[in-house]
Amino acid sequence: GQNIDQPTEMTATEGAIVQINCTYQTSGFNGLFWYQQHAGEAPTFLSYNVLDGLEEKGRFSSFLSRSKGYSYLLLKELQMKDSASYLCAVREHDYKLSFGAGTTVTVRA
Amino acid sequence: DAGITQSPRHKVTETGTPVTLRCHQTENHRYMYWYRQDPGHGLRLIHYSYGVKDTDKGEVSDGYSVSRSKTEDFLLTLESATSSQTSVYFCAISADASEQYFGPGTRLTVT
Repeated sequence: GQNIDQPTEMTATEGAIVQINCTYQTSGFNGLFWYQQHAGEAPTFLSYNVLDGLEEKGRFSSFLSRSKGYSYLLLKELQMKDSASYLCAVREHDYKLSFGAGTTVTVRA
Repeated sequence: DAGITQSPRHKVTETGTPVTLRCHQTENHRYMYWYRQDPGHGLRLIHYSYGVKDTDKGEVSDGYSVSRSKTEDFLLTLESATSSQTSVYFCAISADASEQYFGPGTRLTVT
């Protein structure tokens, strides 16, 4: 099974940077995913890491360290529309994802 | 956006009644998944399918069954609905078991 931990809530100011950490303990590992979910909507795919290191996609970056069981999602130049829940998900050596409970990010003006 | 729809979008039903939720995709993706989402628990996998007539259980499968008779449709059935099954249900699809694309969700209330 999976144990995936991420903070429940974070607050930041518009234009700032926020880092959302995710730690996991698994019996196998075959990739880590980040999803964004606005209130009342479906999750949408943000990023995928399977090798160690940083993946950058515009204002969003995701980092993975497999030896530490650790990932983070970095949101730069925060905008009000970035207020949402961010879900960390881990895939083991099968077709299934296990999700963390999600981190709610609130961006203040 | 991936072509994925769910029906109904909202449903209120009584305890003990059977309920079927439908997920329909137009992407011809091989993998389909049913999740439930509850406050404090995140998304939890109920059942998934890796091909027509090929399905397997997730972590919260008790009280649920699924069927996939054709690539585009994945049905989730609550055999006898209970109040603990009040939740938001999401269907997801994936071409290669990598990133998943989610449907709009079904809000189910069991009274």
